[in-house]
Amino acid sequence: NAGVMQNPRHLVRRRGQEARLRCSPMKGHSHVYWYRQLPEEGLKFMVYLQKENIIDESGMPKERFSAEFPKEGPSILRIQQVVRGDSAAYFCASSPPTSEQNTGELFFGEGSRLTVL
Amino acid sequence: GQNIDQPTEMTATEGAIVQINCTYQTSGFNGLFWYQQHAGEAPTFLSYNVLDGLEEKGRFSSFLSRSKGYSYLLLKELQMKDSASYLCAVTDSNYQLIWGAGTKLIIKP
Repeated sequence: NAGVMQNPRHLVRRRGQEARLRCSPMKGHSHVYWYRQLPEEGLKFMVYLQKENIIDESGMPKERFSAEFPKEGPSILRIQQVVRGDSAAYFCASSPPTSEQNTGELFFGEGSRLTVL
Repeated sequence: GQNIDQPTEMTATEGAIVQINCTYQTSGFNGLFWYQQHAGEAPTFLSYNVLDGLEEKGRFSSFLSRSKGYSYLLLKELQMKDSASYLCAVTDSNYQLIWGAGTKLIIKP
């Protein structure tokens, strides 16, 4: 059973370009979370999605950032017109459907490291 | 608001014991997690507590007191490879994970 798959692992963009980060959750997991982590800092929640629905986007910047989790295919985090401050590691995590048996544990991908020149 | 507090950084000696504390104020409680994150890597699951008491797993133990909103992670027989950040996270009443900023643990020989 493959784990959470993220790609690309490393992405370099120039200011003003677009960055697209992809995340395929673990098989059977219907919940996807995106986190951002700056160097030497903790995880910052960005968005929580289920298939075709954004459940909580309270951590997403109001502009330039968007996320989707289509019925088919991976979840995508899109950053338009990137700026140097967007340079960070972006982690995706997934979890199975909420239930009494589900502790809520998140399973993380290896992350995508965005560098904006 | 919801809040998770843990020390920013701690230093300990190889072979010793260290306790990393975590206090929380959340809307509801459905469990507390500890994750380990080595620099440049993804967080990995260490422990889960939902009932009061101590959960032991090898060199690592995790304690929870729900009435005090308090947990600690205890690491024994420290090894250099234990140098990492340790993240405390609480699941609230909506099963959302609320994360602490992490404690960077530095192990010295």
